[in-house]
Amino acid sequence: AQRVTQPEKLLSVFKGAPVELKCNYSYSGSPELFWYVQYSRQRLQLLLRHISRESIKGFTADLNKGETSFHLKKPFAQEEDSAMYYCALVASGTYKYIFGTGTRLKVLA
Amino acid sequence: NAGVTQTPKFRILKIGQSMTLQCAQDMNHNYMYWYRQDPGMGLKLIYYSVGAGITDKGEVPNGYNVSRSTTEDFPLRLELAAPSQTSVYFCASSQVGGGGYEQYFGPGTRLTVT
Repeated sequence: AQRVTQPEKLLSVFKGAPVELKCNYSYSGSPELFWYVQYSRQRLQLLLRHISRESIKGFTADLNKGETSFHLKKPFAQEEDSAMYYCALVASGTYKYIFGTGTRLKVLA
Repeated sequence: NAGVTQTPKFRILKIGQSMTLQCAQDMNHNYMYWYRQDPGMGLKLIYYSVGAGITDKGEVPNGYNVSRSTTEDFPLRLELAAPSQTSVYFCASSQVGGGGYEQYFGPGTRLTVT
């Protein structure tokens, strides 16, 4: 069965420190992977998707098929990055998203 | 554009009552989804629709029903509310289903069943 695992419920870092939010997935095929973010009092929104290979707000994520991971990284955290982050997977040929349980990122001043 | 709208924002139900959670989108998206999010858990798909008149079950459909009579609206019906349905419910839509296409989420409905 497909599964997305985010092992950390809470990650606290100081402003300016590097950030890595972990995401591991279980899927035998080629998945589509996403990171969604929910800032305080805002809706869940797309942060980035692996097929775009883009950097959004300084965040990047690389798909590692060997390790079945899609970790989210940012070299220098900012206070406005504090939010809830969700990793999500879509199995090829389906319409169904599978979300991880989320990681709350707190960036301390 | 308002995007995806949901009503109500909050609701308290007694066990056995029924209610409909409303969801509408004005982006002309074919695909719409209902999720529930329990505390400390990820979003779980309840039902989804690939177009007007077409719906299908997701991961946790028991206790819920949906309909899709128009492209814009995708209401979720709870017939006999149970405490296990206490959750936050999110509606989402996308232009095309599946991978590579962004889902747009509503603000959520917080439901408590007592």
